[in-house]
Amino acid sequence: QQQVKQSPQSLIVQKGGISIINCAYENTAFDYFPWYQQFPGKGPALLIAIRPDVSEKKEGRFTISFNKSAKQFSLHIMDSQPGDSATYFCAATSTNAGGTSYGKLTFGQGTILTVHP
Amino acid sequence: DTGVSQDPRHKITKRGQNVTFRCDPISEHNRLYWYRQTLGQGPEFLTYFQNEAQLEKSRLLSDRFSAERPKGSFSTLEIQRTEQGDSAMYLCASSFGPQDTQYFGPGTRLTVL
Repeated sequence: QQQVKQSPQSLIVQKGGISIINCAYENTAFDYFPWYQQFPGKGPALLIAIRPDVSEKKEGRFTISFNKSAKQFSLHIMDSQPGDSATYFCAATSTNAGGTSYGKLTFGQGTILTVHP
Repeated sequence: DTGVSQDPRHKITKRGQNVTFRCDPISEHNRLYWYRQTLGQGPEFLTYFQNEAQLEKSRLLSDRFSAERPKGSFSTLEIQRTEQGDSAMYLCASSFGPQDTQYFGPGTRLTVL
């Protein structure tokens, strides 16, 4: 069962533009939502994460927007750079003991971002 | 750099052979996870350990797969009688606890011919 749906599958933006990737989840037990960045031949690396008690979190050029009622969250990359070209994964997990998703990350399908110079 | 390490990075094997992968987590991390990633997909959870105890296995982990973490440090993932469908990237991650960030290793890419 696909519990985290991610879109778009691929995204092309010009240098300096804004990249937006969207995710939707089904499991209401999820309470921690990280975004990972993956370069070819490397493992995923944590980029930024959010908990549902806030609607937005910003770290540098990266911002997560969270809509709990819609069960959706998105990643915004401001002033996109060619070095940002990578695959981005949203993920979700439950940090409450006893839940079936406790501690396990459920990933979206990924978005391949290409930033043209 | 004392991040998560995995060995080997690449493994090519023939169908029916057994293979074993190793993961060395970040020291003092109690939790160790194994995920599988196929081309164009996000990683999928396989199993995890809290110290040396294997607490959960995904339905994706058939009887041909076995994982161990004998002393609560490094972990091994063995696949017996490999099939072409086992071809994937096998990722290991570790965290200090279930509520903490999972740090991933570079992965082992398995190709079954």
